[in-house]
Amino acid sequence: NAGVTQTPKFQVLKTGQSMTLQCAQDMNHEYMSWYRQDPGMGLRLIHYSVGAGITDQGEVPNGYNVSRSTTEDFPLRLLSAAPSQTSVYFCASSYDGGYTFGSGTRLTVV
Amino acid sequence: KEVEQDPGPLSVPEGAIVSLNCTYSNSASQSFFWYRQDCRKEPKLLMSVYSSGNEDGRFTAKPNRASQYISLHIRDSKLSDSATYLCAMSGGTGNAGNMLTFGGGTRLMVKP
Repeated sequence: NAGVTQTPKFQVLKTGQSMTLQCAQDMNHEYMSWYRQDPGMGLRLIHYSVGAGITDQGEVPNGYNVSRSTTEDFPLRLLSAAPSQTSVYFCASSYDGGYTFGSGTRLTVV
Repeated sequence: KEVEQDPGPLSVPEGAIVSLNCTYSNSASQSFFWYRQDCRKEPKLLMSVYSSGNEDGRFTAKPNRASQYISLHIRDSKLSDSATYLCAMSGGTGNAGNMLTFGGGTRLMVKP
């Protein structure tokens, strides 16, 4: 099993550009979520999904969109990148509350 | 913050007993977890914390619902235990109750 796969691992964007961070899991987990991790701020929930077709906002959703058309995939879209979105982004999935994390995407917005 | 941890760093000699605590403010929290995160890596689930506590080798986790904290104890600490330890919890109403809220983590350094 690959677990949770995130791509890309690294990305540099210019302010105003858009992009999609990919997340896929092969464990048939219903719950998926996106977190960002910043120094001194810990892991903060951006968006989450409890199943295909169902998404909702977390603690810091502004500037991000998500969709969940299949159980496996949960992409995160940055609409218009800002320097404040420079962070490490983690996707995670679970069926019972104990989440498995992807290896992360390190995003820098210049 | 909903979930609080002493950020450390906590520096201990090899072989020491380590105790990490995590306090939470949401009394609706129902499920608790400890994660380990190595530098520039993803968090990895260390153990779930059941209502009666949980033990896995040198690691023991216990909840205290009355005082709203969970603890993680590491016996006979090893150099390889050096990492940041994150506590997390879920609970509450609606779909958000299935999501995790994390503490800021405690950095542990085990020295020879």
